[in-house]
Amino acid sequence: AQSVTQLGSHVSVSEGALVLLRCNYSSSVPPYLFWYVQYPNQGLQLLLKYTSAATLVKGINGFEAEFKKSETSFHLTKPSAHMSDAAEYFCAVSGDAGGTSYGKLTFGQGTILTVHP
Amino acid sequence: KAGVTQTPRYLIKTRGQQVTLSCSPISGHRSVSWYQQTPGQGLQFLFEYFSETQRNKGNFPGRFSGRQFSNSRSEMNVSTLELGDSALYLCASSPRDSPQETQYFGPGTRLLVL
Repeated sequence: AQSVTQLGSHVSVSEGALVLLRCNYSSSVPPYLFWYVQYPNQGLQLLLKYTSAATLVKGINGFEAEFKKSETSFHLTKPSAHMSDAAEYFCAVSGDAGGTSYGKLTFGQGTILTVHP
Repeated sequence: KAGVTQTPRYLIKTRGQQVTLSCSPISGHRSVSWYQQTPGQGLQFLFEYFSETQRNKGNFPGRFSGRQFSNSRSEMNVSTLELGDSALYLCASSPRDSPQETQYFGPGTRLLVL
């Protein structure tokens, strides 16, 4: 079965500082990996996804993530945090073996990002 | 294109009642997935429908059910509500149910069970 671990349920940074949100996955098959963001009282919005093309994936709002198979990681970064980045971020994996992957994303527990002025 | 819409946005029910939530996917999308989000358990997959057929199901009791109509709109039903069913219910649509497809989420229905 697939699983996702997000290290750090809360991350706090200053405006302009580097954002690093950690995600490690477990999968028996080559995974497809996603980062979503959720603002209060809203649904999830896709930031970026990895589908076995380039290992460095660029997304919206200046975010990017690097797929590292040897480390089973897909960490999310942004060079300079903005106040508007404050939200909850979810890493997710799909593509389980045995035909159980239809329409199913397995999510990490989420990381709440706080940005201080 | 209009995004995924969910109705109602908020709902209050009492234990033992049943509830039906509705989801309209993005036009042209044939796959609809449902998730439950709670502070304790996070985001958990309920089930997925594609072309009116349930193709995948998460680990939830039979009180949770769903269906999809020929226009791809989907409903989920929870019978005999329990306090623990209080959650944000999210639906997501995608063109196909391939694992590399992006799922586009609606704003959710917040259910409170008293």
